[in-house]
Amino acid sequence: SQQGEEDPQALSIQEGENATMNCSYKTSINNLQWYRQNSGRGLVHLILIRSNEREKHSGRLRVTLDTSKKSSSLLITASRAADTASYFCATDDLGDAGNMLTFGGGTRLMVKP
Amino acid sequence: SQTIHQWPATLVQPVGSPLSLECTVEGTSNPNLYWYRQAAGRGLQLLFYSVGIGQISSEVPQNLSASRPQDRQFILSSKKLLLSDSGFYLCAWTRNEGSSPLHFGNGTRLTVT
Repeated sequence: SQQGEEDPQALSIQEGENATMNCSYKTSINNLQWYRQNSGRGLVHLILIRSNEREKHSGRLRVTLDTSKKSSSLLITASRAADTASYFCATDDLGDAGNMLTFGGGTRLMVKP
Repeated sequence: SQTIHQWPATLVQPVGSPLSLECTVEGTSNPNLYWYRQAAGRGLQLLFYSVGIGQISSEVPQNLSASRPQDRQFILSSKKLLLSDSGFYLCAWTRNEGSSPLHFGNGTRLTVT
């Protein structure tokens, strides 16, 4: 079963606007990761936030983590058409062996030029 | 640098035929290896993972099997494909240490007819 659930399932914005995607999960975690997937391709790792961190930045990406609410958000600022892709959160669950990640269903982001 | 190769990119197979998808990793040793399946427009389902040669863990009982004959080679197989085996299959690896991101191959689009 899926651990993370992204919201919204689909998001359409204009170039230059900010895009916010949310992820909720159910169990205690070691870390939470965000990935990007272009259509028909493999996933690419974007950012990892550990359970003892609250916020992390990487370029135009900002990730927050609220372990009390079991939720995370991914903010892409000043979006570009090239940001069009699906974005997935994945949790590394506490107690799991072998770095197993559980993925959510993803948010499909479309950035219109 | 590390690279992951997955082939073939696309495959069309009749029901009842065998399957063999191969994945190899270069530039690292003793990686954790994973096979995921992705249904259209959905998240990823973990099928198998391996923390070492000959060590395979199955997450979902199904018509598929996996093998790791060499340290950096991971093979997904089936003796007789079902229509429900159609999907996008992704191989991935991580370092054999905590909190490491997944690195994905470009995937195999399998259509069972």
